[in-house]
Amino acid sequence: GNSVTQMEGPVTLSEEAFLTINCTYTATGYPSLFWYVQYPGEGLQLLLKATKADDKGSNKGFEATYRKETTSFHLEKGSVQVSDSAVYFCALTDSVSGNTPLVFGKGTRLSVIA
Amino acid sequence: DTAVSQTPKYLVTQMGNDKSIKCEQNLGHDTMYWYKQDSKKFLKIMFSYNNKELIINETVPNRFSPKSPDKAHLNLHINSLELGDSAVYFCASSKGGGSSTEAFFGQGTRLTVV
Repeated sequence: GNSVTQMEGPVTLSEEAFLTINCTYTATGYPSLFWYVQYPGEGLQLLLKATKADDKGSNKGFEATYRKETTSFHLEKGSVQVSDSAVYFCALTDSVSGNTPLVFGKGTRLSVIA
Repeated sequence: DTAVSQTPKYLVTQMGNDKSIKCEQNLGHDTMYWYKQDSKKFLKIMFSYNNKELIINETVPNRFSPKSPDKAHLNLHINSLELGDSAVYFCASSKGGGSSTEAFFGQGTRLTVV
């Protein structure tokens, strides 16, 4: 079946530090990959996505590259801010299996301190 | 205008009660979902509807009954509430069922069963 594994948190960084949150996936078909962010007390918002191998998604200084050879979609940001503190979810949908609802990883809580 | 809105935002109720959560989207999407987020932030699909028809029911107890009166609404009714039902429930919608389509989420309903 389809699954997403992301690094366990929490991750605590100082402002302006480099961020990497690892994400790997298992899928039966040709998945699209997503990063969602959940700020405290809010719903999930799409951060970025990539729909095919070697695509790079980017938004708000975050980026992730769809690596088919390593089945990975790691999230990176060069310089984090306090306002980036949130829970980050890696997710996939898979068209071949017809399983279009998002399958999520367990989430990684990021805390950025000034 | 809120794209996906769900009410109420907070719901505290006693064991054994019956309650409903309402969801409406004004995006013109034809696919809607209910997800459950547990205390560890893990998100799992419960139901998926396309054009008012149930297409996915992920081993959810039959005390949970979704109802879609039209494409813009997907309500969740829960009978005989149990302590284990305490969680945050998210409604989401997407355009079509294609794998590259992002889902838009509501702000969540925090259900507490006492």
